[in-house]
Amino acid sequence: QSALTQPASVSGSPGQSITISCTGTSSDVGGYNYVSWYQQHPGKAPKLMIYDVSNRPSGVSNRFSGSKSGNTASLTISGLQAEDEADYYCSSYTSSSTPRYVFGTGTKVTVL
Amino acid sequence: QVQLVQSGAEVKKPGASVKVSCKASGYTFTSYDINWVRQATGQGLEWMGWMNPNSGNTGYAQKFQGRVTMTRNTSISTAYMELSSLRSEDTAVYYCARGGPYGDYDYWGQGTLVTVSS
Repeated sequence: QSALTQPASVSGSPGQSITISCTGTSSDVGGYNYVSWYQQHPGKAPKLMIYDVSNRPSGVSNRFSGSKSGNTASLTISGLQAEDEADYYCSSYTSSSTPRYVFGTGTKVTVL
Repeated sequence: QVQLVQSGAEVKKPGASVKVSCKASGYTFTSYDINWVRQATGQGLEWMGWMNPNSGNTGYAQKFQGRVTMTRNTSISTAYMELSSLRSEDTAVYYCARGGPYGDYDYWGQGTLVTVSS
């Protein structure tokens, strides 16, 4: 089971919108609506930003939104802010019993 | 409030074993799976396995099968991850994370740095 594919880096200016893609297969992203997105600042534990493709946990800004088309999921950050600069990882439930879940390769978001 | 508090940093020699603990509070320990995820320095997240604290059932990533054991002590709401036959490539921060049956890890421990060095 390979890691899900994400772009290594994405950048944008404050106020802009950016989108991070997460490409898998029909055995993971394409097969289930169980894609999550995590934000990780340096030296910190990951934080859940989106679950079940497009749901936001309580307390997460509505500037973060998720979607999916086929085998590719996407995270969009609108109204980019300096504090959004971090690493972002997607993850998906898989049909394989091992591993049961798979993470993406990670994307570094830079606010210019 | 929900908290997962992990044990402190460890330094181990190659071939040794390490056991990391994860103490849960603020919720019913047996109601959510505990997953373990590791991250080598400068690298991405790697899922290692899951444990159902109620049943004790576990599932491990194939990469770690035979080397990892996940257990729990429900009387003290604590989960454990033991990794054996350590090698330098196992040097990483190890996280426990609370999750539902389909992923979405909503609470994470602070991480435990395990360093494997001779």
